[in-house]
Amino acid sequence: DTEVTQTPKHLVMGMTNKKSLKCEQHMGHRAMYWYKQKAKKPPELMFVYSYEKLSINESVPSRFSPECPNSSLLNLHLHALQPEDSALYLCASSQLLTGAGQPQHFGDGTRLSIL
Amino acid sequence: DQQVKQNSPSLSVQEGRISILNCDYTNSMFDYFLWYKKYPAEGPTFLISISSIKDKNEDGRFTVFLNKSAKHLSLHIVPSQPGDSAVYFCAASARYGSGNTGKLIFGQGTTLQVKP
Repeated sequence: DTEVTQTPKHLVMGMTNKKSLKCEQHMGHRAMYWYKQKAKKPPELMFVYSYEKLSINESVPSRFSPECPNSSLLNLHLHALQPEDSALYLCASSQLLTGAGQPQHFGDGTRLSIL
Repeated sequence: DQQVKQNSPSLSVQEGRISILNCDYTNSMFDYFLWYKKYPAEGPTFLISISSIKDKNEDGRFTVFLNKSAKHLSLHIVPSQPGDSAVYFCAASARYGSGNTGKLIFGQGTTLQVKP
C-alpha cells in the first residue's frame, strides 16, 4: 500500500465559508507536506510536518491552518479564502524528511474553487 | 530566483526512441534530486531519484544522470512509449546545517508527447 489519499477531490466554497481538506497515509511515514499548485505551474510548498510537529511554514496566510492530529492524518483548515486561492492542493508524505533516499509521495489533490 | 530550471517547456518524441529531459540548478547546497511524472487530474508520481554522491541511477526504462560540476541533470527514457506522455518535473532538496529540511524545489516542468 503506497497511497496518499486526499478528500474531497473537488471543493467549491464561498469566501465566508469554513471547510477542511483531509489527507491520510498508512505507509508509516513520519513527514507530511501540503503544496499548492496553480495551472501550468510547479507545486509550491506550504507546510511541512515532521513527527506531527510543524517544521516549516512558507509564510502562508493565516486563512490556511494546518493540523496533524496523528502520524497518519494531515488536515488543512480553510477560512475566509480569496478567489486567488483557487488551486489544486496536494498532500505528500515521506518516510522521514526528504533528503537522500526519502522521496515524497503525493496524493491526487483537492481541486479547490473559491466563488 | 528560480533555483531549478527546466528550459524546455515541451518535447515530442517518436514511440520507441529515446526521450531526454533536462534540468539545471543553481544552488550548490542541493544534494538530492528527483523526477516526477504528472498526468492531468492526478498528483505527481515519483519516478526516480539520485543522490549527489552518484552520477547515474537506473530503474528499468528510466535513467537519471547527474553532472555536479555543470549543475545539470537529465532523465532518459528508453524506449519511449505513448503512455509516457505527461508533464515531467525535476525537483531538488538540500541539507542545511545538520539535517534535512524536507523542502523540495520544483522546476517548471516539461510536457513530453510520445507519438505512436
